[in-house]
Amino acid sequence: EDQVTQSPEALRLQEGESSSLNCSYTVSGLRGLFWYRQDPGKGPEFLFTLYSAGEEKEKERLKATLTKKESFLHITAPKPEDSATYLCAVQRTHDMRFGAGTRLTVKP
Amino acid sequence: NAGVTQTPKFQVLKTGQSMTLQCAQDMNHEYMSWYRQDPGMGLRLIHYSVGAGITDQGEVPNGYNVSRSTTEDFPLRLLSAAPSQTSVYFCASSPKIRDGEQFFGPGTRLTVL
Repeated sequence: EDQVTQSPEALRLQEGESSSLNCSYTVSGLRGLFWYRQDPGKGPEFLFTLYSAGEEKEKERLKATLTKKESFLHITAPKPEDSATYLCAVQRTHDMRFGAGTRLTVKP
Repeated sequence: NAGVTQTPKFQVLKTGQSMTLQCAQDMNHEYMSWYRQDPGMGLRLIHYSVGAGITDQGEVPNGYNVSRSTTEDFPLRLLSAAPSQTSVYFCASSPKIRDGEQFFGPGTRLTVL
């Protein structure tokens, strides 16, 4: 059965302390892997799409990478405004399956 | 563009009541979907539609019905509400599912007593 597992469940960082979030997946025929950001009380907001192993995408302090079995979201020198839940999802033929998310808190 | 809109934002139902959650998008997107989000479980797909007149079941369809009579609207109907349906519901759309980037609405928080 297709699965998407994110770790850690929660991560607390000091401002400027870089770290990585992990998304491991088992899915037949991966058509794409996506990262979303979700702020409390709001719907998820799209960040990145990765399609093949070795691909990397960057946006401000965030960089997403993809291997054959997992994806990482690297956060460099985070700021308090980066605090949110980060969701990854895998695209299948007609739908997407989401992980449970990593709740990131960045303290000033 | 208003994007994806959902109504109501909050709703409280009694067990056995029925109701419809509304979802509309003004981006002419072909693909629309409904998710529920529960603590610790992430987003789970309820139903989806690849175009007007075409719907299909997702991961957790039981107790829910959908229809897609127009490109813009994709209502979700709860037939007989149960406490297990207490959740936050999100509607999303994308130009085509193969594009992957989904635009989400603000959500409806539903409580079933």
